[in-house]
Amino acid sequence: GQQVMQIPQYQHVQEGEDFTTYCNSSTTLSNIQWYKQRPGGHPVFLIQLVKSGEVKKQKRLTFQFGEAKKNSSLHITATQTTDVGTYFCAGATTSGTYKYIFGTGTRLKVLA
Amino acid sequence: ETGVTQSPTHLIKTRGQQVTLRCSSQSGHNTVSWYQQALGQGPQFIFQYYREEENGRGNFPPRFSGLQFPNYSSELNVNALELDDSALYLCAAAGYNEQFFGPGTRLTVL
Repeated sequence: GQQVMQIPQYQHVQEGEDFTTYCNSSTTLSNIQWYKQRPGGHPVFLIQLVKSGEVKKQKRLTFQFGEAKKNSSLHITATQTTDVGTYFCAGATTSGTYKYIFGTGTRLKVLA
Repeated sequence: ETGVTQSPTHLIKTRGQQVTLRCSSQSGHNTVSWYQQALGQGPQFIFQYYREEENGRGNFPPRFSGLQFPNYSSELNVNALELDDSALYLCAAAGYNEQFFGPGTRLTVL
């Protein structure tokens, strides 16, 4: 079945350092979404990417969708302690039901 | 706030029992998905409902079933509970380009 993997699984950074998480799908995606989940919380939507090669920015966050629509990345510039949490990508299949397959997640810890 | 509510917040059941979890959206989104999130893992898609019909299903056995009502609220039913069913159950109302997750129901099966 379709799989979505993320690396790294964990990342500890000093406050002010940059952070990147990578998402790879075994199949071509129709679109990809990114979510942030704080400890004890629920996933909160960050962004959706649809087009091949698309790049979107939200303040310190930069999201990319690969040309083949099978991989994506999230880059955070100058991390802050408020960035702590687990970041998930979620890829939609092309089946038309928009069934989202979540990645394995990257847990980010920011040390002050 | 996403406007998506779930009840109950926490639930403890024993093996073999049945459970019903509920989800409602203040905005009345007509598409709702249910996910199971085991500790330390990403959410796993259970199924999706659109206008009261199941519209896609993940790799979950038939003892996981659902309903969506005319007001777009939804239920997840799990029969014959197993220990591995212990997880956070999330519902998500689908907007145009995003999903709005509820706070989840933490189910513990003893």
